[in-house]
Amino acid sequence: DIVMTQSPDSLTVSLGERATINCKSSQSVFYSAISKNYLAWYQQKPGQPPKLLIYWASTRESGVPDRFSGSGSATDFTLTISSLQAEDAAVYYCQEYYSSPPYRFGQGTKLEI
Amino acid sequence: EMLLVQSGAELKKPGESLKISCKVSGYTFANYWIGWVRQMPGKGLEWLAVIHCGDSSTRYSPSIQGQAAISADKSTSTAYLQWTNLQASDSGIYYCARPRDMTRGSDAFDLWGQGTMVTVSS
Repeated sequence: DIVMTQSPDSLTVSLGERATINCKSSQSVFYSAISKNYLAWYQQKPGQPPKLLIYWASTRESGVPDRFSGSGSATDFTLTISSLQAEDAAVYYCQEYYSSPPYRFGQGTKLEI
Repeated sequence: EMLLVQSGAELKKPGESLKISCKVSGYTFANYWIGWVRQMPGKGLEWLAVIHCGDSSTRYSPSIQGQAAISADKSTSTAYLQWTNLQASDSGIYYCARPRDMTRGSDAFDLWGQGTMVTVSS
């Protein structure tokens, strides 16, 4: 099984500043045949289901503000929130969907403002 | 509007059976997969299983294989997760969610239900 490890577990960032969350997979999630990384990012606020932000490691889901961006390849990925807003306080998860189940999530990163 | 609406919270005793549901509306049920994700109290997300709602093919995580079963009813556009012998460790919030790509059971989940809280306690 692929193991997903996020860092840090929590972080506090000021309004308007940049937040960076890292995700490392225990093996590559890059599929060379289609040149895609099988990696997604989600945002979860208290009492709500997760919300998809990014898929294919860097493709923003429709309706997601452009201050959210994803980068990285193979085993190392980053979610960047370029100019933090109050509503961005949440827990963020990465998830791999490469190969065979289970398609594991990272342990989550709690972002406080 | 595409929606996944889940059944309400459940309180059960160890050893009891349970079936929770996820009703789909706003898109063609049989064309897509539906997955289930668990969140134990105060913890992270755990991918459990997916089912293709058209042909009922399934994929399970080893953590749930043999402990619970997923199914889909095309006549009511509803997916189910059921247990026959609940344990306290099954307590948590269960989300149904739809993978983005209708051809792939392995994909990011772009549509989520509101979650069903399951509490198993004697």
